[in-house]
Amino acid sequence: AQSVAQPEDQVNVAEGNPLTVKCTYSVSGNPYLFWYVQYPNRGLQFLLKYITGDNLVKGSYGFEAEFNKSQTSFHLKKPSALVSDSALYFCAVRDIRNNDMRFGAGTRLTVKP
Amino acid sequence: KAGVTQTPRYLIKTRGQQVTLSCSPISGHRSVSWYQQTPGQGLQFLFEYFSETQRNKGNFPGRFSGRQFSNSRSEMNVSTLELGDSALYLCASSSPRLAGNTGELFFGEGSRLTVL
Repeated sequence: AQSVAQPEDQVNVAEGNPLTVKCTYSVSGNPYLFWYVQYPNRGLQFLLKYITGDNLVKGSYGFEAEFNKSQTSFHLKKPSALVSDSALYFCAVRDIRNNDMRFGAGTRLTVKP
Repeated sequence: KAGVTQTPRYLIKTRGQQVTLSCSPISGHRSVSWYQQTPGQGLQFLFEYFSETQRNKGNFPGRFSGRQFSNSRSEMNVSTLELGDSALYLCASSSPRLAGNTGELFFGEGSRLTVL
């Protein structure tokens, strides 16, 4: 079965600095990879996905993610963090063989002014 | 296009009671998944329904059940509630059978269940 690891429970960055939220995955075959964001007392919102093609994927709100097949990683990045980016971020992988979507434990991003 | 709608948004129950949560997917979406979110366990997959059939199931006891109707609306039921069932229950829909679909889930706002 597929799995996702987010090694950091918490990431703190200063506003204006670049941010990285890490994700590694394990899946048989080609992965479909996703990032979601969750604000307090809300559902998850889709940010971006990697299916195939360019390893650098651009998504909503200025976020991007880099797919690295050799390191089985899909780190979320943003060149300049905003205070409003503070939220809980989830990485997910879908195994297209069984259509099963699994999520990482989540990383809480705090951007300080 | 309306998003995924979950009802009720908040509810309080006592131990031993049962609860039914409802989810209306995005129009045209035929797959509905349910997740339990708790601070300690994160997002745990409950089950997925597609065309009224349960396609996948997570590791939850039989007290947790679900169903999907012909209009793709889904319900989940938890019987004999326990304190540990307090959580945010999230429903998500997707349309895996449509051409070009790449499988992202669209989530509702969740139903927050508190068991006293």
